Amino acid sequence: KAGVTQTPRYLIKTRGQQVTLSCSPISGHRSVSWYQQTPGQGLQFLFEYFSETQRNKGNFPGRFSGRQFSNSRSEMNVSTLELGDSALYLCASSLGLGSGNTIYFGEGSWLTVV
Amino acid sequence: SQQGEEDPQALSIQEGENATMNCSYKTSINNLQWYRQNSGRGLVHLILIRSNEREKHSGRLRVTLDTSKKSSSLLITASRAADTASYFCATDMESSYKLIFGSGTRLLVRP
Repeated sequence: KAGVTQTPRYLIKTRGQQVTLSCSPISGHRSVSWYQQTPGQGLQFLFEYFSETQRNKGNFPGRFSGRQFSNSRSEMNVSTLELGDSALYLCASSLGLGSGNTIYFGEGSWLTVV
Repeated sequence: SQQGEEDPQALSIQEGENATMNCSYKTSINNLQWYRQNSGRGLVHLILIRSNEREKHSGRLRVTLDTSKKSSSLLITASRAADTASYFCATDMESSYKLIFGSGTRLLVRP
């Protein structure tokens, strides 16, 4: 069974540009969540989707957005990139929404903003 | 803000020794999960322990949970060089299902 797949793995963008990251969850998983990891702030929750609806959102500005498609695949978008957005963006999936579900992570997308 | 604090921040041991990492959290939780992260890679799920469980084992891993002290520990027995990684605890709180991560423990196992 394939794990959580994220694309692209590495990318470099310029300040002011926007970026879209993609995530394919484990087959059968309906919940997808996104996390940002930086050396300074550690791992922080961005948002969670279930059945194409955003169920939970972290404390990030509106420049960060996401969506989930009917096949559970998800994308996140960051507009007007800032240098501080450079981070490892991790996607995770679980069978369902709610506590007790093991959450599996992908390898992440490394974003560098220059 | 981070829910958990991990202790120690870094740990260096010899291959074959045991490694113990501790995690403390602030609010009531539903579950606590431990993850491993190799440098620059994604997170690998190790163990999920529910708030009504006190101890759980998986291979060389042993996790304990003390909800009265709001703390958990991860014990890796007979460590190997391949165990070198950062280890994170993550909690989901009663009021929310999102994971709140600790700051992590960097483990170095010397061959």
